[in-house]
Amino acid sequence: GESVGLHLPTLSVQEGDNSIINCAYSNSASDYFIWYKQESGKGPQFIIDIRSNMDKRQGQRVTVLLNKTVKHLSLQIAATQPGDSAVYFCAEILVKWAGANNLFFGTGTRLTVIP
Amino acid sequence: ETGVTQSPTHLIKTRGQQVTLRCSSQSGHNTVSWYQQALGQGPQFIFQYYREEENGRGNFPPRFSGLQFPNYSSELNVNALELDDSALYLCAYIRAATYEQYFGPGTRLTVT
Repeated sequence: GESVGLHLPTLSVQEGDNSIINCAYSNSASDYFIWYKQESGKGPQFIIDIRSNMDKRQGQRVTVLLNKTVKHLSLQIAATQPGDSAVYFCAEILVKWAGANNLFFGTGTRLTVIP
Repeated sequence: ETGVTQSPTHLIKTRGQQVTLRCSSQSGHNTVSWYQQALGQGPQFIFQYYREEENGRGNFPPRFSGLQFPNYSSELNVNALELDDSALYLCAYIRAATYEQYFGPGTRLTVT
């Protein structure tokens, strides 16, 4: 399959442990943030999103934290499983009332889960 | 699965040639974006189409062009290929009234 991100920051965790993936975003005016998971040979897959007027949002086994003061976003994965191994990207959107609401992606982090 | 398909899966072209990549969705969403993802990088926005019109463009030269058809499928065309155009090309359909983008599996383009 495809190999995505050969030179990305990496994080290795033991199966069952919690994972924390961090992201620094660039635009303090961004309205919306999304975490994506990208497995080898596939396109990015939506995980969870958060609006800029929130500081925390929880999903199934995942939590996103937003710190606008330092423009930092984190993704916490509880009880990490081998199927969580992938490259994780944060993306930001500056909402426009006309024109494209395009995503700006961060560099990504490769998560490897050790069985 | 996102219901977004892209063709071809892989493609090898030589410098100076032209290429057309295709994208379609089963969802009926009318807005599609194209992204270029170089190895080791996050996807970079190329342009977006809404109801057959270009609706925004990233920092890509005019030799990158696109089309959207009445059935909302889309094409990305790249003329005068350069070695640096080698990348994974992704399309994504956008769910109306949200910012959720559903990505296809991508087309891996190699320019030699």
